[in-house]
Amino acid sequence: RKEVEQDPGPFNVPEGATVAFNCTYSNSASQSFFWYRQDCRKEPKLLMSVYSSGNEDGRFTAQLNRASQYISLLIRDSKLSDSATYLCVVSGMDSSYKLIFGSGTRLLVRP
Amino acid sequence: DGGITQSPKYLFRKEGQNVTLSCEQNLNHDAMYWYRQDPGQGLRLIYYSQIVNDFQKGDIAEGYSVSREKKESFPLTVTSAQKNPTAFYLCASSMGRGEYSYEQYFGPGTRLTVT
Repeated sequence: RKEVEQDPGPFNVPEGATVAFNCTYSNSASQSFFWYRQDCRKEPKLLMSVYSSGNEDGRFTAQLNRASQYISLLIRDSKLSDSATYLCVVSGMDSSYKLIFGSGTRLLVRP
Repeated sequence: DGGITQSPKYLFRKEGQNVTLSCEQNLNHDAMYWYRQDPGQGLRLIYYSQIVNDFQKGDIAEGYSVSREKKESFPLTVTSAQKNPTAFYLCASSMGRGEYSYEQYFGPGTRLTVT
């Protein structure tokens, strides 16, 4: 089983739609959780950090369910510019500051 | 502007040659990381360093080497022993201490093609 699992998609949605991505992680000891956004052939960029049960930033809402070991990302009122791959990222299990990256979920927002 | 720079953006090499990828940061971050990304796949950790003059192997260190002589710099050498070196290489850094110790910030990457 992969340490961080995501549905690869693609999710193809019209502009204005609400879309949600889920991610599951295998180790209950993980403490820090993130969503990164990666555009085609570019570097990943930090979208949101999820340090408690969840947080919201404008159109983006991230939620964490520790009991079920999953993290979600909700995007409301999708824009064309939201088209990208969204990476679910979880902190490692040892004392280092390593991160474990999911393979990503691809989002395509159409006009 | 604070950030992470990687050079060059594109690099072409012949098989059998060693090549060194540059990574510099001016964010005053303690920790630095090297990842490899292959088409359609996630990031895989090659090496990481939490402090100057110290570094550890990641999940796929074979065929790679690093040094961390300065806080700002973490160069990666892809040796001829690396069987499939063609990939997108990403350098990242994080504070490595305090509340935001895990948040990693990435450089623009280097695309290496070996023929």
